[in-house]
Amino acid sequence: GENVEQHPSTLSVQEGDSAVIKCTYSDSASNYFPWYKQELGKRPQLIIDIRSNVGEKKDQRIAVTLNKTAKHFSLHITETQPEDSAVYFCAALNYGGSQGNLIFGKGTKLSVKP
Amino acid sequence: EAQVTQNPRYLITVTGKKLTVTCSQNMNHEYMSWYRQDPGLGLRQIYYSMNVEVTDKGDVPEGYKVSRKEKRNFPLILESPSPNQTSLYFCASRWQTHTGELFFGEGSRLTVL
Repeated sequence: GENVEQHPSTLSVQEGDSAVIKCTYSDSASNYFPWYKQELGKRPQLIIDIRSNVGEKKDQRIAVTLNKTAKHFSLHITETQPEDSAVYFCAALNYGGSQGNLIFGKGTKLSVKP
Repeated sequence: EAQVTQNPRYLITVTGKKLTVTCSQNMNHEYMSWYRQDPGLGLRQIYYSMNVEVTDKGDVPEGYKVSRKEKRNFPLILESPSPNQTSLYFCASRWQTHTGELFFGEGSRLTVL
């Protein structure tokens, strides 16, 4: 089945710097890659997603890139702010026999220092 | 307001005492799922359901049961809880389409002594 690896597990940046989180997936049939943000004590929420027919997608300060050949995708956050501090999860959609079951990475704890 | 509601939000129980965590969604979603979140292990799927009366195991189903008798409800049952089931549990739902946003409940923090 699908396996999603996420790196790094923790990331600390200075306010205003950029942050990059990378994920690799194993199932070449996966074609949907969302990113979820979980603030401390709260539920995960979708912040951006990308489909396999697109190489890059942007939404203000966040962007996601996808390299299907290498089977990896990344989340880019520019001009980081303290409110970006959270745990970020990548995920891949596993078609296989599960008819579309999201498989999550283990998460990256991002800390943005003022 | 569109939401996924879990109850209880917090529970401390003892080994072997059966408990049920309820999950209800008001968005008419076909797909529902349960995850547990543990430090360093991310979100691991316990069970999921594609529609009424259709359930399947996720990555860590041992010690759990689910049922999907109605579209809106997807309870998680721990028949005989053990300390290794101490965790933060999330219920989630989405439309059946494969690329739909997954909506999470607020989470249920369970401690088994």
